[in-house]
Amino acid sequence: AQKITQTQPGMFVQEKEAVTLDCTYDTSDPSYGLFWYKQPSSGEMIFLIYQGSYDQQNATEGRYSLNFQKARKSANLVISASQLGDSAMYFCAMREGREYGNKLVFGAGTILRVKS
Amino acid sequence: GAVVSQHPSWVICKSGTSVKIECRSLDFQATTMFWYRQFPKQSLMLMATSNEGSKATYEQGVEKDKFLINHASLTLSTLTVTSAHPEDSSFYICSAPRGAGNTIYFGEGSWLTVV
Repeated sequence: AQKITQTQPGMFVQEKEAVTLDCTYDTSDPSYGLFWYKQPSSGEMIFLIYQGSYDQQNATEGRYSLNFQKARKSANLVISASQLGDSAMYFCAMREGREYGNKLVFGAGTILRVKS
Repeated sequence: GAVVSQHPSWVICKSGTSVKIECRSLDFQATTMFWYRQFPKQSLMLMATSNEGSKATYEQGVEKDKFLINHASLTLSTLTVTSAHPEDSSFYICSAPRGAGNTIYFGEGSWLTVV
């Protein structure tokens, strides 16, 4: 079974509007972490935001926020006020429990295109 | 600026030769680093965990004799692709957790082309 599922292969958003990128996960471990990364065409992986399974509040980092719904096992990324530079591939990833170290399992990714 | 640096960014090598890729944590120590591989239009797949002072841990299906990993210091891990073949052509990228691991940084990645 897929541990991380990103159901949107591609998304379009108008500049200055908000967009939500979906991510659902599957784990039986009570301790886990969820990450979002941005990968532009250059290939680098840019860390955006982190949410721990025990965190009470949704994580926020500037224009990025994570809509964490633990019961539904979803960790959607919300990008507010989209900019042309936001066009990239976005990956959701999960780290399970401390015994797994800090290795990540990635979703298939969502390509975001911001239109002017 | 970059927190994890990877070198080289691009490399072309001939079939049968070996190529080394370096991953450095720039302002923090990383006892563990991770190597991933990414084929075009696909997601990242973990290849191995690089452990400082001990042997690397390889994921199932990854040939440890072909992808040699050495964690020489607390800031440097190297991946050597030995006897490279065209099917080894891919994007290789490393990561290192910082602090408690709530922030995991990636290097810039290395594009390997084997001709």
